[in-house]
Amino acid sequence: DIVMTQSPDSLAVSLGERATINCKSSQSVLNSSNKMNYLAWYQQKPGQPPKLLIYWASARESGVPDRFSGSGSGTDFALTISSLQPEDVAVYYCQQYYSPSYTFGQGTKLEIK
Amino acid sequence: EVQLVESGGGLVQPGRSLRLSCTASGFTFGEYTMSWVRQAPGKGLEWIGFIRGGVDGATTEYAASFKGRFTLSRDDSKSIAYLQMNSLKTEDTALYYCLRQSGGYWGQGALVTVSS
Repeated sequence: DIVMTQSPDSLAVSLGERATINCKSSQSVLNSSNKMNYLAWYQQKPGQPPKLLIYWASARESGVPDRFSGSGSGTDFALTISSLQPEDVAVYYCQQYYSPSYTFGQGTKLEIK
Repeated sequence: EVQLVESGGGLVQPGRSLRLSCTASGFTFGEYTMSWVRQAPGKGLEWIGFIRGGVDGATTEYAASFKGRFTLSRDDSKSIAYLQMNSLKTEDTALYYCLRQSGGYWGQGALVTVSS
């Protein structure tokens, strides 16, 4: 199975500042045929199921604020929140859907500093 | 509106079996792959597996740690996906989600508690 490793495990950022969460896969999730990275980002708030934010590594899901962006290719990816808002406090997960076993990262807890 | 509702959770003794259901609405169920993910209390997300829909004809994929003990199936006529869990262990205690990966639709989850 592809192992997904997120960093850091937790992050505290001031309101209005940039937050960046990293995700590294143990092997490439880039499909050489269609040039797509099979990588998604989810946000999970307490007591709720995860919410899809980003798919294909950088495509923003409908309704997701444009302060959220995804980047990266191959094995190294990042989720960036350009200006942290109070409602962004959550745990964030990356997930690869390249191999038939769609593994998640361990999660990054984002808090307000 | 896409909706996924899990049911069948509860308290079960170690070694016993349990079957969860995921009832779908708001889309043509048979055309979509359905996945299951679990989350132990206070822990991260753990992908269990998926069952394909459409022309791929209900074929399945599982994470290595669930092969042989968990089984996915579906009834497209009822728009229901199933997760059969056998030989349950205390460490299987978790909230079990079904999801439609395409579009990122998740249910609210079914809580399974394995305890004597």
